[in-house]
Amino acid sequence: EAGVAQSPRYKIIEKRQSVAFWCNPISGHATLYWYQQILGQGPKLLIQFQNNGVVDDSQLPKDRFSAERLKGVDSTLKIQPAKLEDSAVYLCASSLHGMNTEAFFGQGTRLTVV
Amino acid sequence: GQQLNQSPQSMFIQEGEDVSMNCTSSSIFNTWLWYKQDPGEGPVLLIALYKAGELTSNGRLTAQFGITRKDSFLNISASIPSDVGIYFCAGQPFGNEKLTFGTGTRLTIIP
Repeated sequence: EAGVAQSPRYKIIEKRQSVAFWCNPISGHATLYWYQQILGQGPKLLIQFQNNGVVDDSQLPKDRFSAERLKGVDSTLKIQPAKLEDSAVYLCASSLHGMNTEAFFGQGTRLTVV
Repeated sequence: GQQLNQSPQSMFIQEGEDVSMNCTSSSIFNTWLWYKQDPGEGPVLLIALYKAGELTSNGRLTAQFGITRKDSFLNISASIPSDVGIYFCAGQPFGNEKLTFGTGTRLTIIP
């Protein structure tokens, strides 16, 4: 069974530029999560989708971050404009039955903002 | 947002030694999870705990759900080189609420 796929693996951008990350969850998984992991910290949930609907985006900085999952399968996370403090690994995860304790993580996208 | 406190922050041990780490919170959790993260990879679930006082094993790993519901412990027996990585605890307060992750314990094995 293929795991959660993310791209790109690495991205370096200048502050105030825009960037987008893509995630393809495990086939059949209805729930998709985006986490932000700053160096030296644990992951922090940014947004959770159930199919194409948002379940929780309370920790998403909505002035610059946006995410969509239009067809209920793959998802994109966008940052516009990026700030230095956005440098982090962005992890995508998915779960079959929507149980947060049963999520599988992708390898992540490492973003460096300079 | 809240982060759980993990201790120690890092550990340097020799192969074959046993390892103990813990995770504490100021609030109660109903579920505790332990993950391992290798460099360049996402976290992988090791053990899930669902009941206060529960003791669960997964091979050489044993985790316990603290009686107070505010802490959890992970032990690794007879460490081997592939145990190297960062171990994260995560707690879930009620129902299916979002997870809160700890600050991580980095395990290094000295040759």
